[in-house]
Amino acid sequence: AQSVSQHNHHVILSEAASLELGCNYSYGGTVNLFWYVQYPGQHLQLLLKYFSGDPLVKGIKGFEAEFIKSKFSFNLRKPSVQWSDTAEYFCAVNANSGGYQKVTFGIGTKLQVIP
Amino acid sequence: DAGVTQSPTHLIKTRGQHVTLRCSPISGHKSVSWYQQVLGQGPQFIFQYYEKEERGRGNFPDRFSARQFPNYSSELNVNALLLGDSALYLCASSLTSNYEQYFGPGTRLTVT
Repeated sequence: AQSVSQHNHHVILSEAASLELGCNYSYGGTVNLFWYVQYPGQHLQLLLKYFSGDPLVKGIKGFEAEFIKSKFSFNLRKPSVQWSDTAEYFCAVNANSGGYQKVTFGIGTKLQVIP
Repeated sequence: DAGVTQSPTHLIKTRGQHVTLRCSPISGHKSVSWYQQVLGQGPQFIFQYYEKEERGRGNFPDRFSARQFPNYSSELNVNALLLGDSALYLCASSLTSNYEQYFGPGTRLTVT
């Protein structure tokens, strides 16, 4: 069965610290990968996506993620976090099998940035 | 531009009742997906519809059903409600079935 693991459920960082959130998935076929973010009181919104091509993808607000196929990983990074990055971050995998979609989200990581 | 809209915002139902949740996608989007999110977990995939046809289904019982209309809006129906169905129900729309999704604000369902 398809699954997504996010290793850190709650992360606390000081401003300007570097961020890396882990995401591993299990699925043997072709996948599209996403990171979504939910700021306090707001909807889920797309941070970045990987469909194909360059495994290093850049998203909004200085975030980037690297797809490592051999490790089934899609870790999210940001060199220097800001207080405004306080939010919950979700990794998601969309697997396509014969035109049928199945989307799986991770449990989420709550990031708290301390000024 | 209007984003994804969902109605109602909040809903309280009693065990055994039936509920219908509604979703209007972003204009031009032909795919709608439904998710259930309980506190402390990520969204759980329920259904995806594209061009009025079911294109994906998660591990939910047959009490859950959905449909998509010619204008691409969608309904999620849940029969014989259980306490465990209490959750935030999210709708997301996308251009096609295999594209990034845009989420609505959700409908908060409470079953008592």
